Amino acid sequence: AQSVTQPDIHITVSEGASLELRCNYSYGATPYLFWYVQSPGQGLQLLLKYFSGDTLVQGIKGFEAEFKRSQSSFNLRKPSVHWSDAAEYFCAVETRGGGNKLTFGTGTQLKVEL
Amino acid sequence: KAGVTQTPRYLIKTRGQQVTLSCSPISGHRSVSWYQQTPGQGLQFLFEYFSETQRNKGNFPGRFSGRQFSNSRSEMNVSTLELGDSALYLCASSLVDKTNYGYTFGSGTRLTVV
Repeated sequence: AQSVTQPDIHITVSEGASLELRCNYSYGATPYLFWYVQSPGQGLQLLLKYFSGDTLVQGIKGFEAEFKRSQSSFNLRKPSVHWSDAAEYFCAVETRGGGNKLTFGTGTQLKVEL
Repeated sequence: KAGVTQTPRYLIKTRGQQVTLSCSPISGHRSVSWYQQTPGQGLQFLFEYFSETQRNKGNFPGRFSGRQFSNSRSEMNVSTLELGDSALYLCASSLVDKTNYGYTFGSGTRLTVV
């Protein structure tokens, strides 16, 4: 069965510092992978997605993610964090066939210190 | 263009009652899926509809049901509400088109069962 692991529940970084959020997935076929961000009381906003091709994916708000098949990982990065990036981040893998669905990780809560 | 619209945004119900939540997808999107988000269980898939047919269903009791109309709008219904049904219910619409693939989420309906 498919699964997503986000090993870090909470991460605190200083504004201007670099950021990496980890995501490991388990899926039998070629994965379609997503990163979403959620502000308190809001829905999920898509940051970026990977289907195929170039393993380094660029997203919105200066985020990027790298797909590493050998490590079953899809880590999210940002070179310089802004205070407005404080939010919860979710990694997800799509299951296809007989209908589609997203399986989410448990999320990483990002705190940004000024 | 308009995003995914979920109504109502907030709802308070009493145990034993039933509730209906509504989701209007992005124009042209024919797939609508529903997710439940709770602090304890995280984001869990409820069901997915495509062209008025349920294609996929998550592991939820039969009290949770849904439907999709010919204009792709979707509703989900929860009967005999329990305290544990208190959650943020998120709807996502997607375009079944690999050239512009992805899931767009609404802002959610916050259901509180008292």
